[in-house]
Amino acid sequence: GQNIDQPTEMTATEGAIVQINCTYQTSGFNGLFWYQQHAGEAPTFLSYNVLDGLEEKGRFSSFLSRSKGYSYLLLKELQMKDSASYLCAVRDQTGANNLFFGTGTRLTVIP
Amino acid sequence: ETGVTQTPRHLVMGMTNKKSLKCEQHLGHNAMYWYKQSAKKPLELMFVYSLEERVENNSVPSRFSPECPNSSHLFLHLHTLQPEDSALYLCASSHQAGTSGVLTYNEQFFGPGTRLTVL
Repeated sequence: GQNIDQPTEMTATEGAIVQINCTYQTSGFNGLFWYQQHAGEAPTFLSYNVLDGLEEKGRFSSFLSRSKGYSYLLLKELQMKDSASYLCAVRDQTGANNLFFGTGTRLTVIP
Repeated sequence: ETGVTQTPRHLVMGMTNKKSLKCEQHLGHNAMYWYKQSAKKPLELMFVYSLEERVENNSVPSRFSPECPNSSHLFLHLHTLQPEDSALYLCASSHQAGTSGVLTYNEQFFGPGTRLTVL
């Protein structure tokens, strides 16, 4: 089976840095994705990790440790528009592109 | 604009009704997906179509019936649903290429979803 855990809610201040953690236990692993989902909207792709280490993309970075089954999404210089749910998803090794999602972390950015 | 559209955006139906959800992608992808998103639960993969063939059916009740007539269109036919089926139904598409076990990251692009309420 697949088990992906992330905190349900987080609050952070505008301009600050926030780290959203994700741990996973899956029967196979072929990449980890982070998506952002604003209320009432479609999830949008943020980042992808398949090798250990940090991937940086502007204000957002994502880290992966395969041996620990652990990833985090780092958001810098927080803006009010970053208030959204952040979804961690793992792709297994079946050769298909199937994703298994966590429940998502609802981030609220306050002034 | 994500290139994946879904209609209707909102749907209210009784338990005896039959309705269909439609998804269309304009991205040239060859795989399409149906997900269910309920409050406080993870996105649940329901069906996967690759090259218009169903490759995944995650133990979804038969009252949900998918149809993929071509690589750009995906339908979810609904029949005699239950109130617990009320949720946001998301469609996604991706490119799926390469030999078995060799995939580039091929992220999935999601549509805005259909908010379904079953009375």
